[in-house]
Amino acid sequence: AQSVTQPDIHITVSEGASLELRCNYSYGATPYLFWYVQSPGQGLQLLLKYFSGDTLVQGIKGFEAEFKRSQSSFNLRKPSVHWSDAAEYFCAVGGPKAAGNKLTFGGGTRVLVKP
Amino acid sequence: SAVISQKPSRDICQRGTSLTIQCQVDSQVTMMFWYRQQPGQSLTLIATANQGSEATYESGFVIDKFPISRPNLTFSTLTVSNMSPEDSSIYLCSAFGGGSGNTIYFGEGSWLTVV
Repeated sequence: AQSVTQPDIHITVSEGASLELRCNYSYGATPYLFWYVQSPGQGLQLLLKYFSGDTLVQGIKGFEAEFKRSQSSFNLRKPSVHWSDAAEYFCAVGGPKAAGNKLTFGGGTRVLVKP
Repeated sequence: SAVISQKPSRDICQRGTSLTIQCQVDSQVTMMFWYRQQPGQSLTLIATANQGSEATYESGFVIDKFPISRPNLTFSTLTVSNMSPEDSSIYLCSAFGGGSGNTIYFGEGSWLTVV
């Protein structure tokens, strides 16, 4: 069975500082990996995804993530955080069409940004 | 990308009643899914909405409680039946394939409060 762990429930970061959100997954084959962001009172917005190829993936809003198969990780990073990045971030793993494309989500990491 | 619209966006429902949530995608998609996000929690897959046939439910979810329809490639409904306060959640529709490419997109969610 597939699973996702986001070890950090809350992270507080100063505006302008760098941010790294951890994600570890368990999946029996090549995973499809996603990061979504949910701002307060909003739905989910896709930040980036990894299916294959280059293990460093660029996303929207200045985010990037690196797939490390040996560590079963897909950590999200941003070099300089803006106040508008305060939100909840979800990592998700899914399979190809043959596996039904169903997503399993991590528990989420809530990011607070200090002025 | 695919744009997914959900109705209603929010509602307050009486205990014991049922509510149907509609999900409309702006292009034909291969697969549609329904997720639930309970307060302060991550997302859990309820079921895969299959076009022209019965939905495929995940463990812990049953058709009598969450009937789902998908009459065509762009539209699906989820009904939350005989609601109780424990059903107070955000219900999110998502779609994969076709116009959404190989990315899984989400609607803005339907925020239900049962009183």
